[in-house]
Amino acid sequence: QKEVEQNSGPLSVPEGAIASLNCTYSDRGSQSFFWYRQYSGKSPELIMFIYSNGDKEDGRFTAQLNKASQYVSLLIRDSQPSDSATYLCAVTATTDSWGTLQFGAGTQVVVTP
Amino acid sequence: DTGVSQNPRHKITKRGQNVTFRCDPISEHNRLYWYRQTLGQGPEFLTYFQNEAQLEKSRLLSDRFSAERPKGSFSTLEIQRTEQGDSAMYLCASSLVKGSSGNTIYFGEGSWLTVV
Repeated sequence: QKEVEQNSGPLSVPEGAIASLNCTYSDRGSQSFFWYRQYSGKSPELIMFIYSNGDKEDGRFTAQLNKASQYVSLLIRDSQPSDSATYLCAVTATTDSWGTLQFGAGTQVVVTP
Repeated sequence: DTGVSQNPRHKITKRGQNVTFRCDPISEHNRLYWYRQTLGQGPEFLTYFQNEAQLEKSRLLSDRFSAERPKGSFSTLEIQRTEQGDSAMYLCASSLVKGSSGNTIYFGEGSWLTVV
């Protein structure tokens, strides 16, 4: 059974601080990893994707991938109240490397002023 | 707007009725996905199409659910004999898969279904 696991939170982060979100996955053959942000009542919005081990930075966001340990993380620097949302980790199924995504349940982030 | 478009955005139906949702993907995208999301959970994969071919269906997709993409453009998801457990947000997504360039999936705004 393929699984993607995230802490549900809520993760409370002071404004301006770094939010650190973690995700582990069970399918060792997974190749593509995504972070989506979802505001309450809205659909998921792609933040970043990462395919290779190491770090990938995009603005205030950094994704980190460690395939050997089967985890992927997301750092949000200089957190803003507008970052308050649920962050979904998603992993491609290895039956089709460029195919369907399996999602975790999401981590709720609350940025407090 | 050239994003993924879904309609209706909200649907309230009585148990036992049939409902149909429509999805218009981003125009050049060759893949189209349907997901379902309930409160507190991540999206669950239902099915996907590559052009007009339905390539994969989840075991979550019971016989009451059917999806089509007749001309490789828009898609419909029909739920027959709705049950209260079908209440969820139904998400459509699309992507362009081209060679080994990866597959970034973009979601529409979702269609909320409430079965009463």
